[in-house]
Amino acid sequence: GAVVSQHPSWVICKSGTSVKIECRSLDFQATTMFWYRQFPKQSLMLMATSNEGSKATYEQGVEKDKFLINHASLTLSTLTVTSAHPEDSSFYICSAREGLTGSYEQYFGPGTRLTVT
Amino acid sequence: AQSVTQLDSQVPVFEEAPVELRCNYSSSVSVYLFWYVQYPNQGLQLLLKYLSGSTLVESINGFEAEFNKSQTSFHLRKPSVHISDTAEYFCAVSVNAGGTSYGKLTFGQGTILTVHP
Repeated sequence: GAVVSQHPSWVICKSGTSVKIECRSLDFQATTMFWYRQFPKQSLMLMATSNEGSKATYEQGVEKDKFLINHASLTLSTLTVTSAHPEDSSFYICSAREGLTGSYEQYFGPGTRLTVT
Repeated sequence: AQSVTQLDSQVPVFEEAPVELRCNYSSSVSVYLFWYVQYPNQGLQLLLKYLSGSTLVESINGFEAEFNKSQTSFHLRKPSVHISDTAEYFCAVSVNAGGTSYGKLTFGQGTILTVHP
């Protein structure tokens, strides 16, 4: 089946530093990748949608300069949290979809737990 | 815009009892519907989906959900649960439209199913 990996699985960083999270599709080409964040006991909130080779589309209220998304290849997307603050602590999850049309199925990564101290 | 409401945040049941996890949605356009399951410390996995055709869809592990357009519901059911079904379940919708809305998932708040021996 389709597998999506994320690295790292957890990270602790100091306030003011930047941290990069990688999302990889291991056995398929992901034309589109999605980034979500999940607060404790809450649902997943879509942050942005990225299509390979183009700029990401951010959801309303998400700061694009703070959450930099790069989808440079069909198997890799990265999310960089710049100048992280404690309120950025959350569970970040990516998902990937193969192709532009047809299947709506997204395959989810295991998530990355970010703690900003 | 779409919204998804999962009416129960927690559902405790005994093993071998039936269970129903409720999901209602709101959308001005037609939608695709999904149920995802998240086991502890794991990523989301697709449980079942409704895209078109028969309104009753089934998963390989005994869950089923029925799309009810008039009641805008997509409740998840299982006639006899196992301990291993303990997890968090998310209902999600995707708009059946092109453009920037294509494939974006809107999630409900999640329902924690706890199966007791």
